[in-house]
Amino acid sequence: DGGITQSPKYLFRKEGQNVTLSCEQNLNHDAMYWYRQDPGQGLRLIYYSQIVNDFQKGDIAEGYSVSREKKESFPLTVTSAQKNPTAFYLCASSIGLDKNTFGSGTRLTVV
Amino acid sequence: ILNVEQSPQSLHVQEGDSTNFTCSFPSSNFYALHWYRWETAKSPEALFVMTLNGDEKKKGRISATLNTKEGYSYLYIKGSQPEDSATYLCAHNEGANNLFFGTGTRLTVIP
Repeated sequence: DGGITQSPKYLFRKEGQNVTLSCEQNLNHDAMYWYRQDPGQGLRLIYYSQIVNDFQKGDIAEGYSVSREKKESFPLTVTSAQKNPTAFYLCASSIGLDKNTFGSGTRLTVV
Repeated sequence: ILNVEQSPQSLHVQEGDSTNFTCSFPSSNFYALHWYRWETAKSPEALFVMTLNGDEKKKGRISATLNTKEGYSYLYIKGSQPEDSATYLCAHNEGANNLFFGTGTRLTVIP
């Protein structure tokens, strides 16, 4: 079955550490996205990539970095520069601007 | 309207009742309007993508309308069932850029 796989489901990080969230898709979608959700807020875009080796900042990119070396993979690194990283992170992909297909999410907690 | 706004934030309905909720979005530079259903512990699932003013889409007991000139979309659920309980997210493509999400309407259908 085609889909998006995010791992891990839960992640704990110590303050000051970088951590990388994985997102893999086998849907042959060109575009991939990372969103963050905080309580009481909608999904906010962190980064997106429309083709391999290219990506753009979203609304809240500070403290995050991404890479898109392969079509199937769009890992997100939460760096120590991100002041409030505890959140739920969703990865998605799409064909152009068609509907997003979402992964199941990663809940990151800074301890 | 600068952001995507959804109302109500939450509602409870009895099984069998019909219900509807609203998504408001900036009417300038409209490209597309998306509706997603997000059940607890699952990934958001695309319901509709609408692009034309006056669009009406239907999927089973769920339907949606779109008014791009005044900047709103309605989602209707006819004869609500407990399995309809979820958060319904609306998202707006502005121009040809990324999606801007609302905070969602959390629906609880009481058996």
